[in-house]
Amino acid sequence: NAGVTQTPKFQVLKTGQSMTLQCAQDMNHNSMYWYRQDPGMGLRLIYYSASEGTTDKGEVPNGYNVSRLNKREFSLRLESAAPSQTSVYFCASRRDGLTGELFFGEGSRLTVL
Amino acid sequence: SQQGEEDPQALSIQEGENATMNCSYKTSINNLQWYRQNSGRGLVHLILIRSNEREKHSGRLRVTLDTSKKSSSLLITASRAADTASYFCATAAFSGGYNKLIFGAGTRLAVHP
Repeated sequence: NAGVTQTPKFQVLKTGQSMTLQCAQDMNHNSMYWYRQDPGMGLRLIYYSASEGTTDKGEVPNGYNVSRLNKREFSLRLESAAPSQTSVYFCASRRDGLTGELFFGEGSRLTVL
Repeated sequence: SQQGEEDPQALSIQEGENATMNCSYKTSINNLQWYRQNSGRGLVHLILIRSNEREKHSGRLRVTLDTSKKSSSLLITASRAADTASYFCATAAFSGGYNKLIFGAGTRLAVHP
């Protein structure tokens, strides 16, 4: 049981380049989330998808787009990367309800030069 | 600003000692959760305590919740070197139009052999 899988684990981009972070979960969870983690800031919610076919903005959505491709997959896209988007990105999923425990992937470390 | 704030920011103890971390928050919550993060890894859920609960145990973990003081504490008893990690509290509440799970900045725990 792989849980939540994120790719890539590491990526270096130049300012203005675009890229997509992929996330897949094999736990049949309804809700999926994208967070970013910055030193001293904890985790901040970028976007979430409460169920297949729906996506909503979190606390820090600017500069990002998401796609809930199916129940398993939730991708995060940076259309024009900026140095301020240098961070570690975590995908997470939740079985049901809106306030239960989250299952996290191992993270994707992104550096924007 | 962060909903949950951990105290202390860093804690260094010897194996066998107990470690206590505190979390304060600002608004009413549905539940409070504690997560652990080993260096370079994703977050792992440790324990969830609901707003109508005052204390919860899981193995060597003891969590308390005082909703009147808007605070929680995580106690790790008989610590081991393997407990070295960052610990985050996360508060679940409805705010800004959606159910949020907001993370604090974390406590870095170092357990020395």
